[in-house]
Amino acid sequence: DAKTTQPPSMDCAEGRAANLPCNHSTISGNEYVYWYRQIHSQGPQYIIHGLKNNETNEMASLIITEDRKSSTLILPHATLRDTAVYYCIVRARSTGTASKLTFGTGTRLQVTL
Amino acid sequence: DAGVIQSPRHEVTEMGQEVTLRCKPISGHNSLFWYRQTMMRGLELLIYFNNNVPIDDSGMPEDRFSAKMPNASFSTLKIQPSEPRDSAVYFCASSPGQLNTEAFFGQGTRLTVV
Repeated sequence: DAKTTQPPSMDCAEGRAANLPCNHSTISGNEYVYWYRQIHSQGPQYIIHGLKNNETNEMASLIITEDRKSSTLILPHATLRDTAVYYCIVRARSTGTASKLTFGTGTRLQVTL
Repeated sequence: DAGVIQSPRHEVTEMGQEVTLRCKPISGHNSLFWYRQTMMRGLELLIYFNNNVPIDDSGMPEDRFSAKMPNASFSTLKIQPSEPRDSAVYFCASSPGQLNTEAFFGQGTRLTVV
């Protein structure tokens, strides 16, 4: 799987948008970008994933650049409960069974009052 | 559905003892992952199964570690003999295994080997 690079930490004021960047310059055509987060003492939680188009769900938006070498996870109105470590993962397209899901070091997002 | 269920939530054992961690995946999911998390090494994939068959065990640290999935609703991760450096939080996750679906994680087992 392609390697990802994320800033180790970021701060965001409550109510503001949190924009978390991820670099995946070696991504290949059959690899998806996944985002997970891990709130302290809990198991990781899926947020969103995409291939090349921008994606949005009830939790977040995912913006993938046209060359697919980087992406940004956007939490539109961050709350204190969004404080967590956010992982950007590049994962091979699965073909009926799950493919490997490998975590890096992630970005520690601190949401403050 | 209750989600992925792991037991025990906490385990304290003495060095040299056998430890067995258990996982019940979400019903209908056909892929299962075991991870270990430490401060030093982060989240490491140990092994994963598809349809009860081990697909990739390259992350299993050494022969002291073994994992089984005798059926679609149960998996175990065994450490024998345990060592203090095995102290970590062990997570199990399951996935429907269909095209590009997410994995759902359990709450983890915190293992302390003294």
